[in-house]
Amino acid sequence: ILNVEQSPQSLHVQEGDSTNFTCSFPSSNFYALHWYRWETAKSPEALFVMTLNGDEKKKGRISATLNTKEGYSYLYIKGSQPEDSATYLCADSGGSQGNLIFGKGTKLSVKP
Amino acid sequence: SQTIHQWPATLVQPVGSPLSLECTVEGTSNPNLYWYRQAAGRGLQLLFYSVGIGQISSEVPQNLSASRPQDRQFILSSKKLLLSDSGFYLCAWSRRGYNSPLHFGNGTRLTVT
Repeated sequence: ILNVEQSPQSLHVQEGDSTNFTCSFPSSNFYALHWYRWETAKSPEALFVMTLNGDEKKKGRISATLNTKEGYSYLYIKGSQPEDSATYLCADSGGSQGNLIFGKGTKLSVKP
Repeated sequence: SQTIHQWPATLVQPVGSPLSLECTVEGTSNPNLYWYRQAAGRGLQLLFYSVGIGQISSEVPQNLSASRPQDRQFILSSKKLLLSDSGFYLCAWSRRGYNSPLHFGNGTRLTVT
């Protein structure tokens, strides 16, 4: 079974702080790495899908990088805002089309 | 545009009772369909996925089953619920391809008493 690990499990930052979290995944048989944001009382929403080693994607203040050779991805949030509070999930395709295996997530709390 | 509908939103069922959760997708054809569960204190666990009508892959052995009677309909069932079946169930769809993101329904909160 594919093992996707995320750290830290939870994170508390002040508004305006920049922060980052890690997702690690098996580097063999890699296809794609997904990042999702899951806000309380909502359903998970896709942020990025990354497939190429060295890939970097950005959406507003959020960006992500991918290292497929060593099996990790970083998610960065610049100048955190209270509305960034959510659980951030990463998922690996596990070498099978559409079969996404999720990590347990990093729960981010941003205090105003 | 594509939409996904999942119902009911909440459900309280006694141990040993049957279960049926339904999920339908509109605005797309031949999607991949998924059932995930988040149990208390745990991450999202893939239960079933389907790449076509009647094609179901099970990821975790359990007393749940899934069916896909139509292209855009995915049903999660159980004949007899266990206490350990309590959790938050999410249906999702994606286009074909490992680089296609998942689009989730609003989820069903199941409490087995």
